[in-house]
Amino acid sequence: LAKTTQPISMDSYEGQEVNITCSHNNIATNDYITWYQQFPSQGPRFIIQGYKTKVTNEVASLFIPADRKSSTLSLPRVSLSDTAVYYCLVGDMRPGDYQLIWGAGTKLIIKP
Amino acid sequence: EAQVTQNPRYLITVTGKKLTVTCSQNMNHEYMSWYRQDPGLGLRQIYYSMNVEVTDKGDVPEGYKVSRKEKRNFPLILESPSPNQTSLYFCASRTGVNSYEQYFGPGTRLTVT
Repeated sequence: LAKTTQPISMDSYEGQEVNITCSHNNIATNDYITWYQQFPSQGPRFIIQGYKTKVTNEVASLFIPADRKSSTLSLPRVSLSDTAVYYCLVGDMRPGDYQLIWGAGTKLIIKP
Repeated sequence: EAQVTQNPRYLITVTGKKLTVTCSQNMNHEYMSWYRQDPGLGLRQIYYSMNVEVTDKGDVPEGYKVSRKEKRNFPLILESPSPNQTSLYFCASRTGVNSYEQYFGPGTRLTVT
């Protein structure tokens, strides 16, 4: 199981674009990259998932370079409500391999 | 509405008194998991289930039991709770097909005195 490394915390301001980078040097061929958001005392919420290049949905974009040893979650025009902890995870999609390693995540604080 | 429910949301109990935390999902998901979250630590998986009657240990299974008799339910059982099991517990489910998009319950805050 690949381990991930993220910054412990980040600050930004409302209306800015925020990029959170995650390092996963030991990512395996079958691993996918998944990002979650968690507010205090709530369960994590899935944000986005990808394998390579770029994935975009209605809330975020995920950029993955060709070597896949890192990934960047991009949150466009953040608001105060985006203040949360963001987790980067890598995991194998094959049936039966269900374990993900959750690190400490990145605490993102958005200021007015 | 697609959701995962947990009960109770808050529980204070004493050492050794058996308890069960229920978890139910209405999305017909095959995979379900239990996690605990402690301050300064990420989520740690306790047990998971890939389908009815199929369960396996996660990273921290000691002191816990689970069962999966129906697809929608995945209760967590603490036969003899101890203070070190004081934690925030989350149940989660996912389709299990090409996705790690998990749906988490609201959490159960357990205090064992």
